Amino acid sequence: SQTIHQWPATLVQPVGSPLSLECTVEGTSNPNLYWYRQAAGRGLQLLFYSVGIGQISSEVPQNLSASRPQDRQFILSSKKLLLSDSGFYLCAWRERDTNQPQHFGDGTRLSIL
Amino acid sequence: QKEVEQDPGPLSVPEGAIVSLNCTYSNSAFQYFMWYRQYSRKGPELLMYTYSSGNKEDGRFTAQVDKSSKYISLFIRDSQPSDSATYLCAMNTGGFKTIFGAGTRLFVKA
Repeated sequence: SQTIHQWPATLVQPVGSPLSLECTVEGTSNPNLYWYRQAAGRGLQLLFYSVGIGQISSEVPQNLSASRPQDRQFILSSKKLLLSDSGFYLCAWRERDTNQPQHFGDGTRLSIL
Repeated sequence: QKEVEQDPGPLSVPEGAIVSLNCTYSNSAFQYFMWYRQYSRKGPELLMYTYSSGNKEDGRFTAQVDKSSKYISLFIRDSQPSDSATYLCAMNTGGFKTIFGAGTRLFVKA
């Protein structure tokens, strides 16, 4: 069966520091991968999605970037965090070339001080 | 107008009640409809997945899609305190992106 791992679960970072959040998927090949941010009381905001290694589509211009160095690894990064980057970050995967729904990791709660 | 509208609640019901959660949408191209359950500090978990109009039942959960009215519902029978969570509706045209509702917070009181 497929599983998705996200780490760390919680992170507290100072303003201006770098960020690296990692997501890996097991049990599937060539998945579509997604990064979302969820603000309290609001829906899921799609940040990036990827259909293959090195292929990244950005949905929202911002202080963040994403990379996919391996088929089942998706990384969310920032060179300098802003206070507004605080939030709950979720990684999701979906079977490629299907209409199957997305499946989510357990998220990273990021607090910027 | 948002593509997907969902009442944020909170919705509070007694244990054993029938719960009705709803979403409306504006894009008639949506074909795939989902409901996710999200517990506090956890990622959304897929509950129901339906294609086009009609009903789908899974245990105490029933998902209903009315494409003519652009309206979807999730019914929970015999609600339990463990059903207390945020419920997100989601829909997709068949492409890469899925559009999510803002979620409805549900509290089931013992």
